[in-house]
Amino acid sequence: DSGVTQTPKHLITATGQRVTLRCSPRSGDLSVYWYQQSLDQGLQFLIQYYNGEERAKGNILERFSAQQFPDLHSELNLSSLELGDSALYFCASNPGTVFGGELFFGEGSRLTVL
Amino acid sequence: KNEVEQSPQNLTAQEGEFITINCSYSVGISALHWLQQHPGGGIVSLFMLSSGKKKHGRLIATINIQEKHSSLHITASHPRDSAVYICAVHLNRDDKIIFGKGTRLHILP
Repeated sequence: DSGVTQTPKHLITATGQRVTLRCSPRSGDLSVYWYQQSLDQGLQFLIQYYNGEERAKGNILERFSAQQFPDLHSELNLSSLELGDSALYFCASNPGTVFGGELFFGEGSRLTVL
Repeated sequence: KNEVEQSPQNLTAQEGEFITINCSYSVGISALHWLQQHPGGGIVSLFMLSSGKKKHGRLIATINIQEKHSSLHITASHPRDSAVYICAVHLNRDDKIIFGKGTRLHILP
């Protein structure tokens, strides 16, 4: 158990809909990272938050947004969903006190868009 | 050309063999991660390296910053080592993380 909790584990929805994925980092970790893993693209870095502030941005679509709340949990919002958004979405956390510190991954949220 | 290249893409070996997976990158990095992903999807961090060598049990990871190359070695491989091994680099230019496409390892009993 990494200590990182992601909900929901599975989600099935339709094109055009909006969903929210939630991540609770390990106790004490200030950094949260979001990743997307699809069959054809492999793992892609989406965005990182550190202590409530956006720290780095990767290949995140404009239809997607994220935030980190004062209690350090994070949410990834995916809107106007398309078939191609079907993927595993992982969250990871680390203390953020050491640049590039070890990452602790959640079990992922599997999104299926029909 | 991808900024992070892993080789081989697929590897099948017999139990007990010494395994080497390679990762080359073409960008400036602050750290390199080796990750393991089992069927079913969960990802586990094996190592984080910024220089030198680390060992954990039967796993050894090395990095050569000058040559921009890292290797993951598994000694006395076991069927439970069967998984996808992913190299990821933390860029020093903009804090982003880039992943290799992974190496699918299958250890036969």
